[in-house]
Amino acid sequence: AQSVAQPEDQVNVAEGNPLTVKCTYSVSGNPYLFWYVQYPNRGLQFLLKYITGDNLVKGSYGFEAEFNKSQTSFHLKKPSALVSDSALYFCAVRVHNFNKFYFGSGTKLNVKP
Amino acid sequence: GAGVSQSPSNKVTEKGKDVELRCDPISGHTALYWYRQSLGQGLEFLIYFQGNSAPDKSGLPSDRFSAERTGGSVSTLTIQRTQQEDSAVYLCASSSSQLAGSRGDEQFFGPGTRLTVL
Repeated sequence: AQSVAQPEDQVNVAEGNPLTVKCTYSVSGNPYLFWYVQYPNRGLQFLLKYITGDNLVKGSYGFEAEFNKSQTSFHLKKPSALVSDSALYFCAVRVHNFNKFYFGSGTKLNVKP
Repeated sequence: GAGVSQSPSNKVTEKGKDVELRCDPISGHTALYWYRQSLGQGLEFLIYFQGNSAPDKSGLPSDRFSAERTGGSVSTLTIQRTQQEDSAVYLCASSSSQLAGSRGDEQFFGPGTRLTVL
């Protein structure tokens, strides 16, 4: 069965510090991996995706994520957090040749001034 | 329009009533998804449409839930005899991806419909 795990319900960081939001996955086949962000009272917005190639992918708002095949992980990172990054972050996986997406349970990121 | 739209934005109904939720995907997008997001929960897949293919209904929680997509565009999610546990935000997303050999085309989400069943 395909699944995505976000082990942390909440991540707290101070503004200016680096942040990491963790995601691990379990799929049979080659994964396509995604990160989405949901701001309060807003719809989900696409941040970045890994399809193939360079394991480090860069996305919107200065976020990046590293695909690690051996650890089946796709952690979201940002070198310097902003208060405005505070939101709910979802990791998702899709398997090649299948269109169904599997979402993690979400991680609430709190960035404090 | 430029993005995915959903209506209504909020719906309050009484237990036992039927409701219809509408989704207008991005023009030209062949794939359409419905998800349910309960308070404090992640996204729960409900149903997926791809072009003219039979929909993937594997995520529908009960036979009270159904969805259709007319003309490969607008979709309606219907919940019959609503229950309090149906209260959630219902999200629609569309994608331009094709089936075989598809690349990782991302989904574009609508703002959701917040359903409250009293």
